[in-house]
Amino acid sequence: SQTIHQWPATLVQPVGSPLSLECTVEGTSNPNLYWYRQAAGRGLQLLFYSIGIGQISSEVPQNLSASRPQDRQFILSSKKLLLSDSGFYLCAWNLPRNYGYTFGSGTRLTVV
Amino acid sequence: QKEVEQDPGPLSVPEGAIVSLNCTYSNSAFQYFMWYRQYSRKGPELLMYTYSSGNKEDGRFTAQVDKSSKYISLFIRDSQPSDSATYLCAMSLSGNTPLVFGKGTRLSVIA
Repeated sequence: SQTIHQWPATLVQPVGSPLSLECTVEGTSNPNLYWYRQAAGRGLQLLFYSIGIGQISSEVPQNLSASRPQDRQFILSSKKLLLSDSGFYLCAWNLPRNYGYTFGSGTRLTVV
Repeated sequence: QKEVEQDPGPLSVPEGAIVSLNCTYSNSAFQYFMWYRQYSRKGPELLMYTYSSGNKEDGRFTAQVDKSSKYISLFIRDSQPSDSATYLCAMSLSGNTPLVFGKGTRLSVIA
């Protein structure tokens, strides 16, 4: 069966520090991968999505970046965090033309 | 105008009540409509999926899509305290375009 792993579950980071969040999917191949951020009162905001290794689409220009070094691995990074980067970060996957997403358990990031 | 509008609530109902959750959208090209349920501090989970207009029923849950009015609904019958969660509507143009989510409606079912 397919599973999605996302870590860490919680993170407290100072302003200006780097960030690396990792997401991996098991039990499938060639998934579409997504990073969403959920902030209070703003719903789920799509940050990046990828339909294959090295193929990243950015939806929101900001100080975050994403990479997909392997088929089932998706990484969200930042060189210098801002206070506004605080939120609940969710990784998700689906197979092409399969409309339902499966979400990871999320990372709650607090930038202080 | 945002692509997807959803009343954030919160909505509080007694156990056993019928709950109606709604979303409106502006892009008439949306074809695939979903409802997700999210418990506190967890990732969303897919609850219902509907293609184009029509109704779909799954146990106590019924999803309705009215494309002419650009309006979708989720009905929960005989609501239970375990239904207390945030419900998010989502929609997409095709299977290869990312989902667009509403802000979510927080529901509390009181025993």
